[in-house]
Amino acid sequence: AQSVTQLDSHVSVSEGTPVLLRCNYSSSYSPSLFWYVQHPNKGLQLLLKYTSAATLVKGINGFEAEFKKSETSFHLTKPSAHMSDAAEYFCVVSDEGGKLIFGQGTELSVKP
Amino acid sequence: GAVVSQHPSWVICKSGTSVKIECRSLDFQATTMFWYRQFPKQSLMLMATSNEGSKATYEQGVEKDKFLINHASLTLSTLTVTSAHPEDSSFYICSAGTESSYNSPLHFGNGTRLTVT
Repeated sequence: AQSVTQLDSHVSVSEGTPVLLRCNYSSSYSPSLFWYVQHPNKGLQLLLKYTSAATLVKGINGFEAEFKKSETSFHLTKPSAHMSDAAEYFCVVSDEGGKLIFGQGTELSVKP
Repeated sequence: GAVVSQHPSWVICKSGTSVKIECRSLDFQATTMFWYRQFPKQSLMLMATSNEGSKATYEQGVEKDKFLINHASLTLSTLTVTSAHPEDSSFYICSAGTESSYNSPLHFGNGTRLTVT
Protein backbone atom coordinates (compact mmCIF):
# COMPACT_ATOMS: atom_id res chain seq x y z
CA ALA A 1 0.00 0.00 0.00
CA GLN A 2 1.07 3.54 -0.66
CA SER A 3 1.48 6.19 2.03
CA VAL A 4 3.17 9.50 2.63
CA THR A 5 4.54 11.06 5.79
CA GLN A 6 5.14 14.76 6.11
CA LEU A 7 7.73 15.10 8.81
CA ASP A 8 6.80 18.60 10.00
CA SER A 9 3.31 19.80 10.82
CA HIS A 10 4.49 23.40 10.90
CA VAL A 11 7.47 25.21 9.40
CA SER A 12 8.29 28.87 9.99
CA VAL A 13 10.81 30.82 7.90
CA SER A 14 11.74 34.44 7.38
CA GLU A 15 10.99 36.13 4.10
CA GLY A 16 13.89 35.70 1.69
CA THR A 17 15.27 32.56 3.34
CA PRO A 18 15.09 29.03 1.92
CA VAL A 19 12.12 26.74 2.40
CA LEU A 20 12.34 22.99 3.02
CA LEU A 21 9.21 20.91 3.47
CA ARG A 22 9.96 17.25 4.05
CA CYS A 23 8.07 14.26 2.72
CA ASN A 24 8.79 10.54 2.81
CA TYR A 25 6.76 8.02 0.89
CA SER A 26 6.09 4.32 0.91
CA SER A 27 5.16 2.53 -2.27
CA SER A 28 5.30 -0.99 -3.62
CA TYR A 29 5.97 0.25 -7.12
CA SER A 30 7.36 3.30 -8.88
CA PRO A 31 5.10 6.01 -7.56
CA SER A 32 3.61 9.19 -8.92
CA LEU A 33 4.19 11.94 -6.39
CA PHE A 34 2.72 15.41 -6.13
CA TRP A 35 2.94 18.53 -4.05
CA TYR A 36 -0.19 20.66 -3.65
CA VAL A 37 -0.68 24.01 -1.94
CA GLN A 38 -3.87 25.11 -0.20
CA HIS A 39 -4.61 28.65 0.88
CA PRO A 40 -7.22 29.18 3.62
CA ASN A 41 -10.74 28.09 2.63
CA LYS A 42 -9.59 27.33 -0.89
CA GLY A 43 -9.16 24.26 -3.00
CA LEU A 44 -5.81 22.78 -3.90
CA GLN A 45 -3.37 23.96 -6.51
CA LEU A 46 -0.84 21.62 -8.05
CA LEU A 47 2.72 22.83 -7.50
CA LEU A 48 4.54 20.00 -9.24
CA LYS A 49 4.46 16.29 -9.98
CA TYR A 50 6.92 13.46 -10.41
CA THR A 51 6.01 10.63 -12.77
CA SER A 52 9.27 8.69 -13.27
CA ALA A 53 10.93 11.17 -15.60
CA ALA A 54 13.61 13.55 -14.27
CA THR A 55 14.25 13.17 -10.56
CA LEU A 56 14.49 16.93 -10.03
CA VAL A 57 11.10 18.40 -10.73
CA LYS A 58 10.52 22.11 -11.18
CA GLY A 59 7.12 23.52 -10.35
CA ILE A 60 5.33 26.80 -10.23
CA ASN A 61 6.23 29.84 -8.11
CA GLY A 62 9.88 28.82 -7.85
CA PHE A 63 9.28 25.54 -6.03
CA GLU A 64 11.07 22.33 -6.88
CA ALA A 65 11.30 18.83 -5.45
CA GLU A 66 13.81 16.02 -5.79
CA PHE A 67 12.79 12.38 -5.95
CA LYS A 68 15.31 10.24 -4.07
CA LYS A 69 14.48 6.57 -4.34
CA SER A 70 17.26 5.49 -1.98
CA GLU A 71 15.85 7.71 0.74
CA THR A 72 12.18 7.32 -0.29
CA SER A 73 11.92 11.08 -0.06
CA PHE A 74 10.34 13.84 -2.12
CA HIS A 75 11.20 17.05 -0.26
CA LEU A 76 9.89 20.40 -1.49
CA THR A 77 12.24 23.36 -1.62
CA LYS A 78 12.34 26.99 -2.62
CA PRO A 79 15.44 29.18 -2.52
CA SER A 80 13.75 32.30 -1.20
CA ALA A 81 10.43 32.45 0.64
CA HIS A 82 7.85 35.09 -0.15
CA MET A 83 5.04 36.24 2.12
CA SER A 84 2.51 34.86 -0.36
CA ASP A 85 3.95 31.36 0.12
CA ALA A 86 2.31 31.12 3.54
CA ALA A 87 -0.19 28.26 3.16
CA GLU A 88 -0.76 24.58 3.81
CA TYR A 89 1.27 22.17 1.70
CA PHE A 90 0.38 18.56 1.00
CA CYS A 91 2.62 15.79 -0.26
CA VAL A 92 0.56 13.24 -2.19
CA VAL A 93 1.14 9.82 -3.72
CA SER A 94 -1.06 8.23 -6.35
CA ASP A 95 -2.02 4.58 -6.02
CA GLU A 96 -2.45 2.12 -8.88
CA GLY A 97 -6.04 3.14 -9.41
CA GLY A 98 -5.20 6.81 -9.62
CA LYS A 99 -6.50 7.66 -6.16
CA LEU A 100 -4.57 10.36 -4.36
CA ILE A 101 -3.32 9.59 -0.86
CA PHE A 102 -2.57 12.74 1.09
CA GLY A 103 0.01 13.43 3.75
CA GLN A 104 -1.07 15.20 6.89
CA GLY A 105 0.02 18.58 5.59
CA THR A 106 2.65 21.12 6.59
CA GLU A 107 1.66 24.65 7.49
CA LEU A 108 4.23 27.13 6.22
CA SER A 109 4.48 30.49 7.97
CA VAL A 110 6.59 33.29 6.51
CA LYS A 111 7.77 36.06 8.81
CA PRO A 112 8.54 39.52 7.44
CA GLY B 1 -5.73 25.46 -18.09
CA ALA B 2 -8.25 22.98 -16.78
CA VAL B 3 -10.78 24.46 -14.38
CA VAL B 4 -13.08 22.80 -11.90
CA SER B 5 -15.95 24.87 -10.58
CA GLN B 6 -17.55 23.93 -7.28
CA HIS B 7 -20.78 25.46 -6.04
CA PRO B 8 -21.78 26.72 -3.56
CA SER B 9 -18.61 27.94 -1.89
CA TRP B 10 -20.37 27.94 1.45
CA VAL B 11 -23.74 26.88 2.78
CA ILE B 12 -25.49 26.97 6.14
CA CYS B 13 -28.40 24.62 6.69
CA LYS B 14 -30.56 23.38 9.51
CA SER B 15 -30.19 19.94 10.98
CA GLY B 16 -32.30 17.38 9.13
CA THR B 17 -32.25 19.11 5.75
CA SER B 18 -30.37 18.00 2.65
CA VAL B 19 -27.69 19.93 0.82
CA LYS B 20 -26.47 19.46 -2.75
CA ILE B 21 -22.97 20.43 -3.85
CA GLU B 22 -22.09 20.65 -7.54
CA CYS B 23 -18.75 20.06 -9.18
CA ARG B 24 -18.28 20.99 -12.84
CA SER B 25 -15.35 20.59 -15.18
CA LEU B 26 -15.50 23.72 -17.30
CA ASP B 27 -13.17 23.02 -20.22
CA PHE B 28 -12.52 19.30 -20.22
CA GLN B 29 -14.35 16.02 -19.89
CA ALA B 30 -13.95 14.48 -16.46
CA THR B 31 -14.19 10.72 -16.70
CA THR B 32 -13.54 10.39 -12.99
CA MET B 33 -14.43 12.68 -10.12
CA PHE B 34 -13.34 12.40 -6.53
CA TRP B 35 -15.00 13.82 -3.42
CA TYR B 36 -12.97 14.69 -0.34
CA ARG B 37 -13.77 15.88 3.13
CA GLN B 38 -11.44 18.04 5.18
CA PHE B 39 -11.78 18.83 8.87
CA PRO B 40 -10.09 21.95 10.27
CA LYS B 41 -6.32 21.71 10.38
CA GLN B 42 -6.44 18.20 8.93
CA SER B 43 -5.66 16.54 5.65
CA LEU B 44 -8.09 15.58 2.92
CA MET B 45 -9.90 12.28 3.29
CA LEU B 46 -11.23 10.63 0.17
CA MET B 47 -14.94 9.91 0.50
CA ALA B 48 -15.78 8.39 -2.86
CA THR B 49 -14.77 7.99 -6.47
CA SER B 50 -17.29 8.32 -9.25
CA ASN B 51 -17.00 7.41 -12.91
CA GLU B 52 -19.40 8.90 -15.40
CA GLY B 53 -22.46 6.74 -15.89
CA SER B 54 -21.75 4.25 -13.12
CA LYS B 55 -22.23 3.99 -9.38
CA ALA B 56 -19.78 5.68 -7.09
CA THR B 57 -17.24 3.69 -5.12
CA TYR B 58 -17.23 4.71 -1.49
CA GLU B 59 -14.31 4.52 0.89
CA GLN B 60 -14.59 2.43 4.01
CA GLY B 61 -16.59 4.15 6.71
CA VAL B 62 -18.43 6.52 4.37
CA GLU B 63 -22.20 6.05 4.40
CA LYS B 64 -23.37 5.83 0.81
CA ASP B 65 -26.99 6.46 1.76
CA LYS B 66 -26.04 9.66 3.53
CA PHE B 67 -23.62 11.01 0.95
CA LEU B 68 -25.31 10.53 -2.42
CA ILE B 69 -23.07 10.99 -5.42
CA ASN B 70 -24.28 11.37 -8.98
CA HIS B 71 -22.02 11.62 -12.03
CA ALA B 72 -24.53 11.69 -14.84
CA SER B 73 -22.39 13.54 -17.37
CA LEU B 74 -18.73 14.06 -18.21
CA THR B 75 -18.81 17.59 -16.85
CA LEU B 76 -20.95 17.37 -13.73
CA SER B 77 -20.90 15.45 -10.47
CA THR B 78 -23.05 16.20 -7.44
CA LEU B 79 -22.71 15.32 -3.77
CA THR B 80 -25.89 15.42 -1.70
CA VAL B 81 -25.58 15.34 2.06
CA THR B 82 -28.92 13.91 3.19
CA SER B 83 -30.47 14.63 6.57
CA ALA B 84 -27.49 16.71 7.57
CA HIS B 85 -26.38 16.88 11.19
CA PRO B 86 -23.88 19.18 12.93
CA GLU B 87 -21.19 16.49 12.74
CA ASP B 88 -21.42 16.71 8.94
CA SER B 89 -20.13 20.27 9.11
CA SER B 90 -16.90 20.25 7.16
CA PHE B 91 -15.07 21.45 4.07
CA TYR B 92 -15.93 19.35 1.03
CA ILE B 93 -13.68 19.40 -2.05
CA CYS B 94 -14.11 17.76 -5.42
CA SER B 95 -11.50 16.98 -8.00
CA ALA B 96 -11.70 15.78 -11.56
CA GLY B 97 -9.53 13.55 -13.68
CA THR B 98 -9.18 13.17 -17.42
CA GLU B 99 -8.07 10.38 -19.66
CA SER B 100 -4.95 12.36 -20.52
CA SER B 101 -3.85 12.24 -16.90
CA TYR B 102 -4.52 8.52 -16.61
CA ASN B 103 -7.47 9.45 -14.46
CA SER B 104 -5.24 10.91 -11.77
CA PRO B 105 -7.05 13.94 -10.36
CA LEU B 106 -5.01 17.06 -10.90
CA HIS B 107 -7.72 19.69 -10.86
CA PHE B 108 -9.51 20.67 -7.68
CA GLY B 109 -12.56 22.78 -7.02
CA ASN B 110 -12.33 25.59 -4.48
CA GLY B 111 -14.31 23.64 -1.93
CA THR B 112 -17.63 24.06 -0.12
CA ARG B 113 -17.81 25.02 3.54
CA LEU B 114 -20.86 23.29 5.00
CA THR B 115 -22.18 24.40 8.39
CA VAL B 116 -25.11 22.52 9.88
CA THR B 117 -26.88 24.27 12.74
